[in-house]
Amino acid sequence: SQKIEQNSEALNIQEGKTATLTCNYTNYSPAYLQWYRQDPGRGPVFLLLIRENEKEKRKERLKVTFDTTLKQSLFHITASQPADSATYLCALDGFSSGGSYIPTFGRGTSLIVHP
Amino acid sequence: GAGVSQSPSNKVTEKGKDVELRCDPISGHTALYWYRQSLGQGLEFLIYFQGNSAPDKSGLPSDRFSAERTGGSVSTLTIQRTQQEDSAVYLCASSPGLTTGEQYFGPGTRLTVT
Repeated sequence: SQKIEQNSEALNIQEGKTATLTCNYTNYSPAYLQWYRQDPGRGPVFLLLIRENEKEKRKERLKVTFDTTLKQSLFHITASQPADSATYLCALDGFSSGGSYIPTFGRGTSLIVHP
Repeated sequence: GAGVSQSPSNKVTEKGKDVELRCDPISGHTALYWYRQSLGQGLEFLIYFQGNSAPDKSGLPSDRFSAERTGGSVSTLTIQRTQQEDSAVYLCASSPGLTTGEQYFGPGTRLTVT
């Protein structure tokens, strides 16, 4: 079955450093992959979408890579700030073997940026 | 412009009662999704609607769960005969289309079944 894996351990980094989060997937051939941010008590907020034919995408201090051979996406936040502290979710859009559309999210990795 | 809204924000109900959760998507968005998120867990897909097509109910956990979308806009998720394991945050999202990718989420409804 389709599976998305994100590091369950929180990532603790110092302000100003680059945070790198990993998303691995199996049994998937997604057309695209997305990253969302979720703060406690709130719904996820869309950050970036990268398509299968794109290697890298950037938006301000954010960068996403997508390696369909390794079945992995890396999410980078450069010059991190305490306000970047949140849980970051990876999401894949795909279809079940029966043809049903299944948007699937990882459990997320918590990022804590220390001042 | 207005984002996705959900009501109520919190709902406490007794086991065995029925509950209705409401979602107002962003105007013009044709795709609407319902998810469930339990404490410390990821988002569990429940159901989605695309335009006027029949919904894909493959993610609904049991026949106690149902959803409808009236006029291609507002959606209601109904849980009948609630159980304690139904306690979770129920999130609704909408997107411009099924394959456009990015989803816009509402704030969620926190359901507690006592």
